[in-house]
Amino acid sequence: DAGVIQSPRHEVTEMGQEVTLRCKPISGHDYLFWYRQTMMRGLELLIYFNNNVPIDDSGMPEDRFSAKMPNASFSTLKIQPSEPRDSAVYFCASSPQPESELFFGEGSRLTVL
Amino acid sequence: AQSVTQLDSQVPVFEEAPVELRCNYSSSVSVYLFWYVQYPNQGLQLLLKYLSGSTLVESINGFEAEFNKSQTSFHLRKPSVHISDTAEYFCAVSSSSNFGNEKLTFGTGTRLTIIP
Repeated sequence: DAGVIQSPRHEVTEMGQEVTLRCKPISGHDYLFWYRQTMMRGLELLIYFNNNVPIDDSGMPEDRFSAKMPNASFSTLKIQPSEPRDSAVYFCASSPQPESELFFGEGSRLTVL
Repeated sequence: AQSVTQLDSQVPVFEEAPVELRCNYSSSVSVYLFWYVQYPNQGLQLLLKYLSGSTLVESINGFEAEFNKSQTSFHLRKPSVHISDTAEYFCAVSSSSNFGNEKLTFGTGTRLTIIP
């Protein structure tokens, strides 16, 4: 298996622009997680899905953030409009069961100018 | 609620020297503890975990960590490091009751740099 695939790996955009990050989980994994990593706060869980359904989005910082999972093989995290404080590395991870090992993608590094 | 502290953001170590990466946690209930490793340009991957039983757990590449309940610590150690150990290491904690990955709390990471 190719592992969790994220795109883009790097994104530089200007404040106010829309940003869409993409994730393809490992086939057969029913759980998908979006994390944000910053120097100050470390890894924070933003939202997670079970069988394509959002279960807990309490970690989403603001209404500017939204996430979807239209099917078992694709998820997006959208920021609209983006702000400089959104600059971070965003990770997608998947697992077959909620208590199983997490498999992370390589991350998407977002810089908002 | 639980929290985890990794006091050292960066640790430089000479090749073949021993290393200890510190992790302390705070929780009012029983916990599960994990170490994840992120090699350059890769995603995080599980290195080792403590769920129950022996307080000393080992990974396949020579790392070990010991759960110390009285000191609320789960320090990661290796007696002799190699260049390939260069990576960022993340400690994570979760309540052991009704565990799920959504309940994991990660530390801010420790960047281990091996000096030839």
